Amino acid sequence: QKEVEQNSGPLSVPEGAIASLNCTYSDRGSQSFFWYRQYSGKSPELIMFIYSNGDKEDGRFTAQLNKASQYVSLLIRDSQPSDSATYLCAVNSYYGGSQGNLIFGKGTKLSVKP
Amino acid sequence: DVKVTQSSRYLVKRTGEKVFLECVQDMDHENMFWYRQDPGLGLRLIYFSYDVKMKEKGDIPEGYSVSREKKERFSLILESASTNQTSMYLCASSVPSGGFLYNEQFFGPGTRLTVL
Repeated sequence: QKEVEQNSGPLSVPEGAIASLNCTYSDRGSQSFFWYRQYSGKSPELIMFIYSNGDKEDGRFTAQLNKASQYVSLLIRDSQPSDSATYLCAVNSYYGGSQGNLIFGKGTKLSVKP
Repeated sequence: DVKVTQSSRYLVKRTGEKVFLECVQDMDHENMFWYRQDPGLGLRLIYFSYDVKMKEKGDIPEGYSVSREKKERFSLILESASTNQTSMYLCASSVPSGGFLYNEQFFGPGTRLTVL
């Protein structure tokens, strides 16, 4: 069973701090990695994807990938109360011989305190 | 912008009713997916489709069926609704993922279904 693991949280950080969200995955064949943000009562929206080892930065967000350790992380710098949401890690995987499926972690709930 | 729409935001049905959830995407995506999301269980894949008339079972297909008669539309059917099918249902679509890259899934707003 291919799995994606995340700490459920809640992760609480003060406003302006760095929030660090972590994810591990079991399928060594995975090549694409995604971070979705989901506000309460809303659907997930993509905030970053990464497929090469190392760091990828987009504004206040940095995704980090280490395929050898099967580890993906998301750093949010200068955290804002509006960043309070559940963050889902997703990893691509074959499913029944087909491409294009994502396996989602259960999400980490982030709370940014003013 | 990719737009994925779902027929209802909230739906209340009775046990035993046949329920249809509709999903439409406007970006000519080949791939479409149905998930349900429950607290503590995360997103679970019910069914998916890579082409018109094609469907494959996900992790939890029992009690559900799907229909894809047109490329832009993917319907989820609860043959005989039960209380344990009360959940948030999310539809998603994506482009084909040749080489595994760029297979981001775009989600609809979700349908919160309550079965009484």
